[in-house]
Amino acid sequence: KAGVTQTPRYLIKTRGQQVTLSCSPISGHRSVSWYQQTPGQGLQFLFEYFSETQRNKGNFPGRFSGRQFSNSRSEMNVSTLELGDSALYLCASSFRSFGAGAQETQYFGPGTRLLVL
Amino acid sequence: GENVEQHPSTLSVQEGDSAVIKCTYSDSASNYFPWYKQELGKRPQLIIDIRSNVGEKKDQRIAVTLNKTAKHFSLHITETQPEDSAVYFCAASINRGSTLGRLYFGRGTQLTVWP
Repeated sequence: KAGVTQTPRYLIKTRGQQVTLSCSPISGHRSVSWYQQTPGQGLQFLFEYFSETQRNKGNFPGRFSGRQFSNSRSEMNVSTLELGDSALYLCASSFRSFGAGAQETQYFGPGTRLLVL
Repeated sequence: GENVEQHPSTLSVQEGDSAVIKCTYSDSASNYFPWYKQELGKRPQLIIDIRSNVGEKKDQRIAVTLNKTAKHFSLHITETQPEDSAVYFCAASINRGSTLGRLYFGRGTQLTVWP
């Protein structure tokens, strides 16, 4: 199976602009989670989508949003970019199941490196 | 929420020696503990994981141990090789409906293996 893919791989934006990042999960995976990775804060959870619904959200401002499509592909959007949004944005997909003990492995994409000037 | 602490932040070993990275977690409801390896400029890759109903798991040179009572888990790499050099992240996840799908990560350990 093809792995998780993310586009674009690199982006340069200026403060105040907005950006949309895309993630295509592994075929058959229905859950997509997004993480922000920075040297100072490490890996921080943004949100998770399953069956086109946001199921889980981290502690990020409302400028960070996302969505998931019926084919499980997901996008995240950051509006009014700030210098501090410069980071590697990673998405991870999993075959999410439910019930006691359900916990599926998350597989990461290569990330989108965003630089805000 | 869950809080995962990871130590040490940097670790240097000689090729062939063993390396141990330790993590602690705060929420006793955490029940899934994966370890990821991230080489420079690459994606985090799962190297091993353990669930709370198991105390130890081994895969060739890599092993993970879990102590639920003390709320800590460790990664053990034996016979280290230069290609093991990378940043290693531990993570914890809570199987509670509202938080399923969220990984709480440690801050990472930069492992350097000298030839």
